[in-house]
Amino acid sequence: AQSVTQLDSHVSVSEGTPVLLRCNYSSSYSPSLFWYVQHPNKGLQLLLKYTSAATLVKGINGFEAEFKKSETSFHLTKPSAHMSDAAEYFCVVSELTSGTYKYIFGTGTRLKVLA
Amino acid sequence: DADVTQTPRNRITKTGKRIMLECSQTKGHDRMYWYRQDPGLGLRLIYYSFDVKDINKGEISDGYSVSRQAQAKFSLSLESAIPNQTALYFCATSDPNHTEAFFGQGTRLTVV
Repeated sequence: AQSVTQLDSHVSVSEGTPVLLRCNYSSSYSPSLFWYVQHPNKGLQLLLKYTSAATLVKGINGFEAEFKKSETSFHLTKPSAHMSDAAEYFCVVSELTSGTYKYIFGTGTRLKVLA
Repeated sequence: DADVTQTPRNRITKTGKRIMLECSQTKGHDRMYWYRQDPGLGLRLIYYSFDVKDINKGEISDGYSVSRQAQAKFSLSLESAIPNQTALYFCATSDPNHTEAFFGQGTRLTVV
């Protein structure tokens, strides 16, 4: 079975500094990987996705993630944090089970951006 | 209009009551899901459906049931609500190639 581990439950950065949110996965197949963001009292919004094309994936709001098969990682980065980036971020892997796909969520990383 | 609409957005109910959460989508997708979100646990799958005649249990289906009334509608029921079902519930739909899931805004359920 596939699984997703988000290595940090909370990350704090200063505005204007880089963001790194870490995600490792386990998979027996070629996975599809996603990052979703949830702002306070809001639903989930897709930031970016990897589906076996380019390993460096660019998403919305300046975020990007790199798929590294050798490290089984899919870390989310942004060069310069903005106050509006404060939210909870979920790494998600798409699991193929018995011929059908399901989404497996990490436990989330809450990003705090300090002024 | 939102692609995935959940009603109600917030609900407080008493222990032992039956409650239904509703979800409708305008994406035209066959696949629909119900998740619950608890702090520190991420989203966990309750039930999923890949077409109107296909219903499957997720990892935490005990205490829940679902109904797929139409391609666009997928409802979640708690037959006898208990306090540990207090959570944020999300409905989602995904395209056939599973390249993206679209989520509703969530239903915050409190069981007292």
